[in-house]
Formats: sequence, C-alpha cells, structure tokens
Amino acid sequence: DTEVTQTPKHLVMGMTNKKSLKCEQHMGHRAMYWYKQKAKKPPELMFVYSYEKLSINESVPSRFSPECPNSSLLNLHLHALQPEDSALYLCASSRNLAGGPQETQYFGPGTRLLVL
Amino acid sequence: KNQVEQSPQSLIILEGKNCTLQCNYTVSPFSNLRWYKQDTGRGPVSLTIMTFSENTKSNGRYTATLDADTKQSSLHITASQLSDSASYICVVRGGSNDYKLSFGAGTTVTVRA
Repeated sequence: DTEVTQTPKHLVMGMTNKKSLKCEQHMGHRAMYWYKQKAKKPPELMFVYSYEKLSINESVPSRFSPECPNSSLLNLHLHALQPEDSALYLCASSRNLAGGPQETQYFGPGTRLLVL
Repeated sequence: KNQVEQSPQSLIILEGKNCTLQCNYTVSPFSNLRWYKQDTGRGPVSLTIMTFSENTKSNGRYTATLDADTKQSSLHITASQLSDSASYICVVRGGSNDYKLSFGAGTTVTVRA
C-alpha cells in the first residue's frame, strides 16, 4: 500500500468557522508533511512531523494548527482563516525525515479549500 | 539559494507525438531528483527518481535523464496520450536541509487529439 489519503476532498468554510483536514498513511512512514499549493504554483512546505513530534514549522500563521495523534494520522486544524488561505492543501509522507538518496515523499490527492 | 528551473512553461502536442521537458537545478549538495505528474487539483504522483549515479530511468512511456555534472535533467514522453495532459514537476532533494524539497514551477503539457 503506497497510498496517502486525505479527507475531505473539498471544503468551503467561512472566516469564523473551525474545520479540520485529515491525512492518513499505512506505509509505516515516520515523517509526515503539510504543504499549501496555490494555483499554478509549486507546493510550499508548512509543517513537518517526525516520529509524531513537530520538527519544522515554516513560520506558518497560528490560525493553522497541526496535530499528529499517532504515527498514521496527521490533522490540520483551521480557525479564523482568510480568503487568501484558499488553496490546495497537500499531505505527504516519507520513511524518515532524512533517509538518504532514495528517500522520497509520497503525496496525497489534496484537499481543495475555499475560504469565503 | 537552491533553485529548480523548468522549461518550457507550457507546451501543446498532438496525440501520438513525443516531447521533452527540461529541468536545471542549483541544489547542492544533491540527494535525488524526481519527476512528478500532477493533474489539476490533485496531488503530485511520482514518475521517476534518480540519484547521483544514475543517468537514465524509465517508467513506461516516460524516460528521465540526469547529468549531475551540468545539473540538468530531462523527461521524455513517448507516444503521448490524452491522459498525459498534466503539469510535470521537477523536484530536487538536497541542500543544507535534506528534508526540504526544491520544486520547479512545472511544465504544463496539453495533448490534443
């Protein structure tokens, strides 16, 4: 199983709403990532978890709150978002954070978020 | 600064024809280079991965090459199909933060019947 799943596929929320994005993998990977991708732009790294601990926060605003309940799950909690936060949110996983030349990240299908 | 540049930005080809996409990078030290295919609104799907010692790697109708000396890679699509219409992204792993991927802006390929 080389699949990363994400739910929901689409999400529309108002600026006062609280919502969560979910990501799951069963490949035994110990590193998981959240990316934000705007249209026609490359993905931008947001957070990295390694062994269920937050390792990297790329100066992301506090209205985005990640959570890693266990080694297979990664959540992204959203609160008081702005319209400019509308984007495709991608989850990825890899065996380890720095696993050598063959290390690669497997991406999920993404959640398309629209903030009104 | 680690950079990945791709060309062309977009191209249109007729079904059944071949095309080649280019990727130049400045990431150092280099760990690996991967080509991803991304359909609109979907996550990237890996096509090939190459490390420093590999010159070429094939995956069906996709063939990637790597010249680590000149820091250039190409992706060749043979006998294109309508389903090949997508964005193709060159991604390099390496640099001072090995976990961090450097993404190219992508080449948008449109295959027409």
